[in-house]
Amino acid sequence: EPEVTQTPSHQVTQMGQEVILRCVPISNHLYFYWYRQILGQKVEFLVSFYNNEISEKSEIFDDQFSVERPDGSNFTLKIRSTKLEDSAMYFCASSSGTGDGYTFGSGTRLTVV
Amino acid sequence: DQQVKQNSPSLSVQEGRISILNCDYTNSMFDYFLWYKKYPAEGPTFLISISSIKDKNEDGRFTVFLNKSAKHLSLHIVPSQPGDSAVYFCAAIGSNTGKLIFGQGTTLQVKP
Repeated sequence: EPEVTQTPSHQVTQMGQEVILRCVPISNHLYFYWYRQILGQKVEFLVSFYNNEISEKSEIFDDQFSVERPDGSNFTLKIRSTKLEDSAMYFCASSSGTGDGYTFGSGTRLTVV
Repeated sequence: DQQVKQNSPSLSVQEGRISILNCDYTNSMFDYFLWYKKYPAEGPTFLISISSIKDKNEDGRFTVFLNKSAKHLSLHIVPSQPGDSAVYFCAAIGSNTGKLIFGQGTTLQVKP
């Protein structure tokens, strides 16, 4: 069964450092997403990406965040200057566009120290 | 702004019995509702969905019911199995957006 792959599974970084979280979506999907879940809280939408541009973003997705699809297969989330409150599980997802075609990756646990 | 709410943080049922997980929403513009299952250290796994034009969708042991007038949906698992123990998230998608809006999740424990 096709799956969304995320790397690394766990990233520890110092406050103020840049991190890049990587995702390989399902190959024939057209819509790509990043979500995050702070420990003990619900899964929150960050950004959606379609046709090589951001289609929607949340209030969380400020100027410190950016996304890129550099080579047609990878989909990355960059946090330029990490803060302690960025510590969370970050989930990548891709979708074919239909209501039940949303597949999540296993997540990257980001710990900012 | 909690557009999707799961008011029960946890549920415990005996193996073989029915599990009923509930979800309420406030936005009448949602097109699709989905249920995801999540184990620790894993991403949400899609279980079952329902379009806003339907009131029931069934897939094996899982059935989702939608009551649009009450803005309420529920997931029924029958019979429940110990492997069903996980966190269950209700989510919704709007008509003009692809983003999922999640509820807070309900932790289901199925006891052998």
